[in-house]
Amino acid sequence: NAGVTQTPKFQVLKTGQSMTLQCAQDMNHNSMYWYRQDPGMGLRLIYYSASEGTTDKGEVPNGYNVSRLNKREFSLRLESAAPSQTSVYFCASSPRDRGYNSPLHFGNGTRLTVT
Amino acid sequence: AQTVTQSQPEMSVQEAETVTLSCTYDTSESDYYLFWYKQPPSRQMILVIRQEAYKQQNATENRFSVNFQKAAKSFSLKISDSQLGDAAMYFCAYRVNFGNEKLTFGTGTRLTIIP
Repeated sequence: NAGVTQTPKFQVLKTGQSMTLQCAQDMNHNSMYWYRQDPGMGLRLIYYSASEGTTDKGEVPNGYNVSRLNKREFSLRLESAAPSQTSVYFCASSPRDRGYNSPLHFGNGTRLTVT
Repeated sequence: AQTVTQSQPEMSVQEAETVTLSCTYDTSESDYYLFWYKQPPSRQMILVIRQEAYKQQNATENRFSVNFQKAAKSFSLKISDSQLGDAAMYFCAYRVNFGNEKLTFGTGTRLTIIP
């Protein structure tokens, strides 16, 4: 099983450019998440999707949009990238139907640099 | 709002010795879950151990164990017989057991193993 797959692994953008980070999971999980990781700040939730067709804001949603395309895929879009969005982005999923003690399964992250 | 605090940005331990990483959290809920994740240099997020708040018995996974003090809202991780492969960032995380599915992370502790 591939688990949670994120693409791309690395990306460099110029200020004002747009891009979409892709995430797909093959574990039939209901819930999917996007986090960003910054030095000294841990992982902060950007958006999450409890099920196909639903999305909710997390702690730091400004400047981002998401799409839960189907049960497998959850994309994160930066419409106009800013240097403050330089970060490592993680996608994660969890099997909601197993109860809330289910741990998150993470992708390997995307390192994004905005110049 | 729930918060998770890791007060030790960095720790080091001699190989084969024991080290304890601290974590405290703030919540008004009584039913929740706590997790420790490991992030090696590969950037992958790996679940180390989990604890259900309603269980008094401390969780154990091989060389990893926790000291869960619910009244004190403390959740420390003990690593016994430290190995070079234990070198990583360690994140403490909290998740309430209903409604909100978000996983809230601490800022992390970087663990160095001294040969």
